[in-house]
Amino acid sequence: GEDVEQSLFLSVREGDSSVINCTYTDSSSTYLYWYKQEPGAGLQLLTYIFSNMDMKQDQRLTVLLNKKDKHLSLRIADTQTGDSAIYFCAESTGGFKTIFGAGTRLFVKA
Amino acid sequence: NAGVTQTPKFQVLKTGQSMTLQCAQDMNHNSMYWYRQDPGMGLRLIYYSASEGTTDKGEVPNGYNVSRLNKREFSLRLESAAPSQTSVYFCASSDSSGSTDTQYFGPGTRLTVL
Repeated sequence: GEDVEQSLFLSVREGDSSVINCTYTDSSSTYLYWYKQEPGAGLQLLTYIFSNMDMKQDQRLTVLLNKKDKHLSLRIADTQTGDSAIYFCAESTGGFKTIFGAGTRLFVKA
Repeated sequence: NAGVTQTPKFQVLKTGQSMTLQCAQDMNHNSMYWYRQDPGMGLRLIYYSASEGTTDKGEVPNGYNVSRLNKREFSLRLESAAPSQTSVYFCASSDSSGSTDTQYFGPGTRLTVL
């Protein structure tokens, strides 16, 4: 069945770049998403990429998609302490079904 | 424009008690969802409602029921709570007529079953 996998933790120093990786199994995914969850809150969409794109940049965020390897990454440039959160990778194949990964907890050290 | 709201924020139940989690959205979205979030397991879909008047099971529906009361409201009921249902519950909505099916989440209900 469909599955989305992410590493559970990442620690970086303030000002460095963070790279959060994700692999997925369903090659028919149409959209891939990155959501952010801050403590005590629900998930908020950060960015998404359509499956026919290789890269998407949005200010400090860069999303890279390797369809052949079913690998998605999120790069956060100049990481700040306010970026500390849990980041969820998700894939959608339509049909009201979005599969979420377990989330990567990003720690940013001052 | 409040987005997606959920009540209550916190709840403690004893095994066997029942309760209903409420969710409402003011974005005129067609689709609504209930997820549970457990440590290390991400979000798992319990039930969803593609449009007003329809509901369907997700990945983990056992022990739950839902009602799509109208376009705005989607409630989740636990008839006889069990400790395994201790979790954080999120409601979400999406405009499924759009292209990306981005989901908008409520702040969550933290439920403990003793």
